[in-house]
Amino acid sequence: DAMVIQNPRYQVTQFGKPVTLSCSQTLNHNVMYWYQQKSSQAPKLLFHYYDKDFNNEADTPDNFQSRRPNTSFCFLDIRSPGLGDAAMYLCATRDGPSGGVGTQYFGPGTRLTVL
Amino acid sequence: GDSVTQMEGPVTLSEEAFLTINCTYTATGYPSLFWYVQYPGEGLQLLLKATKADDKGSNKGFEATYRKETTSFHLEKGSVQVSDSAVYFCALSYYNTDKLIFGTGTRLQVFP
Repeated sequence: DAMVIQNPRYQVTQFGKPVTLSCSQTLNHNVMYWYQQKSSQAPKLLFHYYDKDFNNEADTPDNFQSRRPNTSFCFLDIRSPGLGDAAMYLCATRDGPSGGVGTQYFGPGTRLTVL
Repeated sequence: GDSVTQMEGPVTLSEEAFLTINCTYTATGYPSLFWYVQYPGEGLQLLLKATKADDKGSNKGFEATYRKETTSFHLEKGSVQVSDSAVYFCALSYYNTDKLIFGTGTRLQVFP
């Protein structure tokens, strides 16, 4: 089945130690998103790629970076995790033109714990 | 700015009860509207959507109608099951923004 895969499902890191979360998709969608979801809150968009074009949200901290080496893979890098970065990180994909309203397909998420 | 407002939870129901989760939106144009469901420990899954006024989205016994006159997209199900226990998010998306704007989510708890 075509899907959005996130690895690992659970990640533990230490305060200040860089961490990378991974997302891959077999849907061949051209748009990929990263969301941060804290407990009992709505997902908050961090950034997204339309093909190779990177779109950062204005309020996304510089501590968060992303890479998309090809259509299938997208990475979220947290350069110096703080305790406040502990959250579920969701990857999503969408097919279609820039600015379109197609359905977003979400991965299962990676739960990040910062010690 | 554009926003989505959902009723606060948790909503607690007995199995086979009727469900309504209210969702209203504020938008300057004509967004598409969505309901996503999040089961414990999992990511979000699209439940249903509607792209224009008076459209009804439906899936797995859930329904929601895009009401432009009341700016609402309430989620309903005639008979809930224990397996429907989850968090439900209402969202809107604008044609030219590439983004989903979510409500804060409503937790549904269904007891046998």
